[in-house]
Amino acid sequence: AQSVSQHNHHVILSEAASLELGCNYSYGGTVNLFWYVQYPGQHLQLLLKYFSGDPLVKGIKGFEAEFIKSKFSFNLRKPSVQWSDTAEYFCAVNSYNTDKLIFGTGTRLQVFP
Amino acid sequence: DTGVSQDPRHKITKRGQNVTFRCDPISEHNRLYWYRQTLGQGPEFLTYFQNEAQLEKSRLLSDRFSAERPKGSFSTLEIQRTEQGDSAMYLCASSSGTPISTDTQYFGPGTRLTVL
Repeated sequence: AQSVSQHNHHVILSEAASLELGCNYSYGGTVNLFWYVQYPGQHLQLLLKYFSGDPLVKGIKGFEAEFIKSKFSFNLRKPSVQWSDTAEYFCAVNSYNTDKLIFGTGTRLQVFP
Repeated sequence: DTGVSQDPRHKITKRGQNVTFRCDPISEHNRLYWYRQTLGQGPEFLTYFQNEAQLEKSRLLSDRFSAERPKGSFSTLEIQRTEQGDSAMYLCASSSGTPISTDTQYFGPGTRLTVL
């Protein structure tokens, strides 16, 4: 069965620090990969997605993620975080034979000024 | 706002009662999904529709749960004989996926259910 692992449960950073959140998935076939963000009091929003092509994808608000097929990973990065990036971040995967998203448990990011 | 909407936003009920939630997807989207999220967890898939057809249902979904999308537009999720373990945030999402391609799922604000 498909599964997604997010090893960083809670990350605390100061503004301007660099961010990398890990995401690993288990599935042997072709996958689509997503990062969603949930800001306090708001609903889930798409940050970025990978379907095919260039494994380095850029999303909104300066975020990017790299798909490394050999490592089954899709880590999220941002070179310099802001206080407004405080949120919960979810990695998710689906595949061509089922449209349902499988989510990781999420990473809570706190950024202090 | 033409995003996914859900009603009600909050529901408090007593154990054993039935509850029904509604989801209105983005108007041109033909796929509609239901997920459940509990504290400290990511959303967990429940079921999804392609137009009015229910294409997949989670094995974790008990017989007390039923979902419909009668005209391929809005959907309802009903929970019969609620239990305290049903307390969660129920999320709806929609997309323009087809049988041969997937697309981004856009989420609504959710309905928070509390079962006393």
